[in-house]
Amino acid sequence: GEDVEQSLFLSVREGDSSVINCTYTDSSSTYLYWYKQEPGAGLQLLTYIFSNMDMKQDQRLTVLLNKKDKHLSLRIADTQTGDSAIYFCAERWMDSSYKLIFGSGTRLLVRP
Amino acid sequence: DAGVIQSPRHEVTEMGQEVTLRCKPISGHNSLFWYRQTMMRGLELLIYFNNNVPIDDSGMPEDRFSAKMPNASFSTLKIQPSEPRDSAVYFCASSQGPSDTQYFGPGTRLTVL
Repeated sequence: GEDVEQSLFLSVREGDSSVINCTYTDSSSTYLYWYKQEPGAGLQLLTYIFSNMDMKQDQRLTVLLNKKDKHLSLRIADTQTGDSAIYFCAERWMDSSYKLIFGSGTRLLVRP
Repeated sequence: DAGVIQSPRHEVTEMGQEVTLRCKPISGHNSLFWYRQTMMRGLELLIYFNNNVPIDDSGMPEDRFSAKMPNASFSTLKIQPSEPRDSAVYFCASSQGPSDTQYFGPGTRLTVL
């Protein structure tokens, strides 16, 4: 399909792990990104993974990539209330080096 | 280091008025992007500049929208005349090169009454 797909909403309890999932479109995509958007703010780059990697860890964040299924996930360990935001995944198509295709975003709500 | 700077942060205007949004990319970045974010359509790329030259404007909705980049440190997105359906958050992003990571500004929330 043409769309990068994400679930719309996720609610977790503070201290638990959060897993946000994304299905992208092009198996030849080079880079896959996770951005965070807090209310009233711009998109903040959280992390990215190159398509020849299966996993990338950065402090509390773990990105897993399943190229066969075109599935990307972001795991946030020990989720905090400050993690409440909208999370966007985005893919960069190989044949269009500048264009990012964004998902619709997953709203993460962290309950105290 | 300063990130991407956008102004104004909020703009409220009446239908038919001209609106100009401004962006200062990160120093040293050669690629600049304008995006629009709405609930219905999500994030859409409007136009992309490389070395101050518009490369892809296929996302510009219609002739009412225009964008310029007179130099490496400044870009504008103009809507004339504005319409209520233009109400959205407009983001500017920049990257070192076309295929490098894009960094976003805080956005301009536009409301057209």
